[in-house]
Amino acid sequence: DAKTTQPNSMESNEEEPVHLPCNHSTISGTDYIHWYRQLPSQGPEYVIHGLTSNVNNRMASLAIAEDRKSSTLILHRATLRDAAVYYCILRDVGTGFQKLVFGTGTRLLVSP
Amino acid sequence: GAVVSQHPSRVICKSGTSVKIECRSLDFQATTMFWYRQFPKQSLMLMATSNEGSKATYEQGVEKDKFLINHASLTLSTLTVTSAHPEDSSFYICSASKGGPEKLFFGSGTQLSVL
Repeated sequence: DAKTTQPNSMESNEEEPVHLPCNHSTISGTDYIHWYRQLPSQGPEYVIHGLTSNVNNRMASLAIAEDRKSSTLILHRATLRDAAVYYCILRDVGTGFQKLVFGTGTRLLVSP
Repeated sequence: GAVVSQHPSRVICKSGTSVKIECRSLDFQATTMFWYRQFPKQSLMLMATSNEGSKATYEQGVEKDKFLINHASLTLSTLTVTSAHPEDSSFYICSASKGGPEKLFFGSGTQLSVL
């Protein structure tokens, strides 16, 4: 499975934008970049995903580098509810099962 | 949005007993379901992948005779922890896929405590 590298933790203040980086230098052409987050004692929650172009949805934006070897999840205005562990995952849809393998993720701390 | 229901949310059992955890996709047919376990302050570890009507595919190091997975329908997969021991105590999470490159939907998890 192609691997991703994320900082262990990041801090932000409420109402400020947050940029969560992810490196995936071994990404293949069939890998989609997925982001999920996990609040304490809950299952992961989908945030956003993309292949080559930048993506926006109501939760966040995903900026993908031109060479696809890195990406950045952007939370435009952090709230206390955004405090979670954020996982950047490559999902190879070229394989039969299309499984999602989690790395260590980034723990985002949001201060009031 | 699509919902995955996982039950029970919490279970406490005695060592040596078996525990069954259910994972249901409520408003879509899940071609594939995944089972994860998570120890405190660690990431999710993929245990197995189950496809409806076929045998589950287990990740390396996961005992298939201990963690029995049944995916009898397109909306239900079960994980049975057989002869549970205290070291099996963990947070178990299921997820379901509609297929293709789209997102996965996760259950809310089951906290298993084996005494």
